[in-house]
Amino acid sequence: GAVVSQHPSWVICKSGTSVKIECRSLDFQATTMFWYRQFPKQSLMLMATSNEGSKATYEQGVEKDKFLINHASLTLSTLTVTSAHPEDSSFYICSASTVSYGYTFGSGTRLTVV
Amino acid sequence: DAKTTQPPSMDCAEGRAANLPCNHSTISGNEYVYWYRQIHSQGPQYIIHGLKNNETNEMASLIITEDRKSSTLILPHATLRDTAVYYCIVRVAPSGGSNYKLTFGKGTLLTVNP
Repeated sequence: GAVVSQHPSWVICKSGTSVKIECRSLDFQATTMFWYRQFPKQSLMLMATSNEGSKATYEQGVEKDKFLINHASLTLSTLTVTSAHPEDSSFYICSASTVSYGYTFGSGTRLTVV
Repeated sequence: DAKTTQPPSMDCAEGRAANLPCNHSTISGNEYVYWYRQIHSQGPQYIIHGLKNNETNEMASLIITEDRKSSTLILPHATLRDTAVYYCIVRVAPSGGSNYKLTFGKGTLLTVNP
């Protein structure tokens, strides 16, 4: 139980375009989801907390207009990287909290901006 | 959140027990110890968590000292597939949909050698 599905697993986009990453809770309802970013050989860095039906809460230093988060239902949260640039290339991971398993994570999305 | 300290890397021979230490001397009474691992280019995977009693599941055992200031994750028979970064995190338990953030440190890179 408590499976989080993340899609796509990898994406390559051109500089200046936008990319949407989806995060779905498959067998539970996720009131809250979290979005992380991970650069090579570094730990996960929390970007924002996504709450169903309300605005996301962003961590300090994360541009909310660049990283748009939508959590319109209890099973889906999306992260859109707008006007992507090469420095946005990273591994993006979503997570949801559950009572039994703590925090469960998606498999991640490798974004490469060329 | 209580801060944790882990060794940056450890080695273990295949088939032997891997014992991964974690110090959390500032842990509060209502904070749990969580262990996750991240295999290269994947999302973190939940391993085990505990409050004060030792815990065991199909993946690992968690030994928490009586004063709760440190803990040890034990993989009883390490395999090559256990090579990963292991994160020890201290946090209050989420109550399903909690906004509590999960903050990752640098973790321990466990390398299981043949």
